[in-house]
Amino acid sequence: ETGVTQTPRHLVMGMTNKKSLKCEQHLGHNAMYWYKQSAKKPLELMFVYNFKEQTENNSVPSRFSPECPNSSHLFLHLHTLQPEDSALYLCASSQAPRTSGRAGFKTDTQYFGPGTRLTVL
Amino acid sequence: TQLLEQSPQFLSIQEGENLTVYCNSSSVFSSLQWYRQEPGEGPVLLVTVVTGGEVKKLKRLTFQFGDARKDSSLHITAAQPGDTGLYLCAGRVSNNNDMRFGAGTRLTVKP
Repeated sequence: ETGVTQTPRHLVMGMTNKKSLKCEQHLGHNAMYWYKQSAKKPLELMFVYNFKEQTENNSVPSRFSPECPNSSHLFLHLHTLQPEDSALYLCASSQAPRTSGRAGFKTDTQYFGPGTRLTVL
Repeated sequence: TQLLEQSPQFLSIQEGENLTVYCNSSSVFSSLQWYRQEPGEGPVLLVTVVTGGEVKKLKRLTFQFGDARKDSSLHITAAQPGDTGLYLCAGRVSNNNDMRFGAGTRLTVKP
């Protein structure tokens, strides 16, 4: 138990569906992340939020829409996905400094949730 | 081409054997982390190394950061079935602190 929970753990959806993934952290962290993990590929960073502000969007297609209502909760809204979007979606959180920019992330430790296994039919 | 290359991609050994897995790059990292990920779970941090040449030990696991901070190795002594999992390295690129992951080494330790 890392203090980061994700729901649902498994999700099967059609290409026309709209669904949302939820992440909650109980660690008092201020930064939250979405990653995509596909078989035999490195983890791909999708979005970063620091103090509820989105600080990174790594060229993620608009069919993925993040939302961070507060420092403890992070959502990933999904719509009109493609089969190649099937993957394990991991949420992470960390205690990153607010004003140090990227330099503050040097030794920042990320704590991961268990992931949501998404299958797009 | 991946920024961080991990080798081998797969490794299957018997309980009690020793093993080393590698994480290599042409980029310099301000820090490097090793994670272990078990099936159905997210990655769990094992260690962070920061200084070139640094060696850290965690029970039967020994982590080394290369002198030039471009590579790292993880050595496991007397492997046990509980060591089975996906071992990921992740480095913070020195010039911008972007964090990048390798694809991992999938280790299986047979009893």
